[in-house]
Amino acid sequence: DVKVTQSSRYLVKRTGEKVFLECVQDMDHENMFWYRQDPGLGLRLIYFSYDVKMKEKGDIPEGYSVSREKKERFSLILESASTNQTSMYLCASSPTQRKTDTQYFGPGTRLTVL
Amino acid sequence: GQQVMQIPQYQHVQEGEDFTTYCNSSTTLSNIQWYKQRPGGHPVFLIQLVKSGEVKKQKRLTFQFGEAKKNSSLHITATQTTDVGTYFCAGQSGSYIPTFGRGTSLIVHP
Repeated sequence: DVKVTQSSRYLVKRTGEKVFLECVQDMDHENMFWYRQDPGLGLRLIYFSYDVKMKEKGDIPEGYSVSREKKERFSLILESASTNQTSMYLCASSPTQRKTDTQYFGPGTRLTVL
Repeated sequence: GQQVMQIPQYQHVQEGEDFTTYCNSSTTLSNIQWYKQRPGGHPVFLIQLVKSGEVKKQKRLTFQFGEAKKNSSLHITATQTTDVGTYFCAGQSGSYIPTFGRGTSLIVHP
């Protein structure tokens, strides 16, 4: 079974803090993704990575950065957290760049920025 | 860019009633995937449709892919409380990156 883990289920931070969200997958997948999920807005892609040290912007990259130093780990960074970044953050991975590949999601991190 | 519209946003049903959610894409899709997210959980892959007009069944769930490969539906027959959750479609066209619909939240009243 593919396992995608995220460092925290719940996180509370203050405005202006630097926040790191970590994601690890154990199946040697090439691709990793970060989404945020808000009520009524579904899943919105923040960033994705198709290889170590490679990253691409998704639909809503503003205010975020990412790091992928190892294949299994993909980090989402909020350089200076703001209240409008309060959300559920979901990490996902997929094996290759075939269109038929499915995504495997982690349990999510619910971030609250005060 | 590619857009995937999903309706309705919410659906309340009495247990035993049927339920359908619909997805429409602005572009022709190479395939469409369906995911289910239980309350408090994360999206889990259900099924993938690839062929024009394809119909697949999983017990009480029926998935259809339109002839033009621009729309899809998920139909649940005789809903149960275990069907509660949010159902997402995700379409792919020119890229391996899927575009997710906003999801339909199903609420089943016992």
